[in-house]
Amino acid sequence: ETGVTQTPRHLVMGMTNKKSLKCEQHLGHNAMYWYKQSAKKPLELMFVYNFKEQTENNSVPSRFSPECPNSSHLFLHLHTLQPEDSALYLCASSQVKGNEQYFGPGTRLTVT
Amino acid sequence: GDSVTQMEGPVTLSEEAFLTINCTYTATGYPSLFWYVQYPGEGLQLLLKATKADDKGSNKGFEATYRKETTSFHLEKGSVQVSDSAVYFCALRGAGSYQLTFGKGTKLSVIP
Repeated sequence: ETGVTQTPRHLVMGMTNKKSLKCEQHLGHNAMYWYKQSAKKPLELMFVYNFKEQTENNSVPSRFSPECPNSSHLFLHLHTLQPEDSALYLCASSQVKGNEQYFGPGTRLTVT
Repeated sequence: GDSVTQMEGPVTLSEEAFLTINCTYTATGYPSLFWYVQYPGEGLQLLLKATKADDKGSNKGFEATYRKETTSFHLEKGSVQVSDSAVYFCALRGAGSYQLTFGKGTKLSVIP
C-alpha cells in the first residue's frame, strides 16, 4: 500500500449505530487531518493531529470522536449521527503540521 | 478570516479547448496558494502550488501564477483532454498557519 488509505470506502449507518472510519498513511508523515466534504460546501477541517497529539478541533459535535494511536493511523468514531452528517469524509497527512497535505480517497457516509 | 472564491461551475469544454478557472483570495500577509484536483471517486490530489508573489506553479500542462496585486491564482491549461474532467479546488494556507482554506470547487467536464 502506498499513500493514504481509508476504509471503508462506503458506509451506511442508522442514527443509533456506532461505527468507525479508519485512515492509514504510508508516507512517514507526522501530521494527520480529518475533513468533511458536503455537497456544494467548501471542505471543512474537523480535526488535526500532530505527533499523535490533537491540536485542532474546529467546533465539531461530540458525536464525532477522533483517535490517533500513532503517527500512521487515524480513526474517526461515530455515534448517534444525524442525516445531515452524510458526506464524504477525507483523511489527509503531511510531513509536519503545515506542509503539503496528501489526501486519501475518502469514506462516503450515508446516515439513514 | 481567510477565504477563497472560485468561479461557479460546472464548466463544460470541448477537447483541446483553452481552460481558465478563476480563483481569488482574501488573506493577511503572504499565503501559500494551491490547486487540488479530485477525480471521480477519489480523494484530492495536489496539482500545483505557489508560495510567493509572481511564482508560477505548473504540472501536467496546468499553470497558475500567484498575483499579489489582484489577489488571484487563476488556473489555466492550453488544451484540455477528456481525462482532465474532474473537480478543481483552489486553496490557501495563511502565513504561519497550518490550516488550508478551500474554495467550493469547480467541476470541469471535457467532451470529445
